[in-house]
Amino acid sequence: AQRVTQPEKLLSVFKGAPVELKCNYSYSGSPELFWYVQYSRQRLQLLLRHISRESIKGFTADLNKGETSFHLKKPFAQEEDSAMYYCALSSSGGSNYKLTFGKGTLLTVNP
Amino acid sequence: DTGVSQNPRHKITKRGQNVTFRCDPISEHNRLYWYRQTLGQGPEFLTYFQNEAQLEKSRLLSDRFSAERPKGSFSTLEIQRTEQGDSAMYLCASSFAIGGFRNTIYFGEGSWLTVV
Repeated sequence: AQRVTQPEKLLSVFKGAPVELKCNYSYSGSPELFWYVQYSRQRLQLLLRHISRESIKGFTADLNKGETSFHLKKPFAQEEDSAMYYCALSSSGGSNYKLTFGKGTLLTVNP
Repeated sequence: DTGVSQNPRHKITKRGQNVTFRCDPISEHNRLYWYRQTLGQGPEFLTYFQNEAQLEKSRLLSDRFSAERPKGSFSTLEIQRTEQGDSAMYLCASSFAIGGFRNTIYFGEGSWLTVV
């Protein structure tokens, strides 16, 4: 069975500081990993996916199969990054119909 | 807003009553999903439809739960004989999937259910 672990429920940093939100997964096959974000009073939305290898809003995430991790990083946090972040795994061979989510990390960026 | 639409947004019901939630996906999205989210947890997969066919149901979806997507457009999620443990946010999502295309799943704002 697949599992996604986000060890930090809360993460607080100051504006301009680097931020790293941790995500570890457990899956026997070849996973596809995602980060979803939920800003206050907004719906859950896709931030980035590992296969795209892109940077969104300054965030990047690298899939490390050896460590089964997909940590989300940003070198300089902004106040508008404050949100709930969920790491998710798709086990459906790329068709992405079933996502397994972690419990989420609430990021607060202080001025 | 042409995103995924859900209603009602909030529902308070007495234990034992039936409730129904409606989801209108993004136009022309052929896949529709239902997830459930409780406080302090991430969303949990309940079921999904490809057009009007319900292709998978999670073991979380007990016999009291039924989901339909009769014409391959909107969907309803009905909970019969509600229990306090059903209190949660019910999230609907949709995507356009064809072949091995790596589709993006778009979520609605959710329907909050409180069973008292």
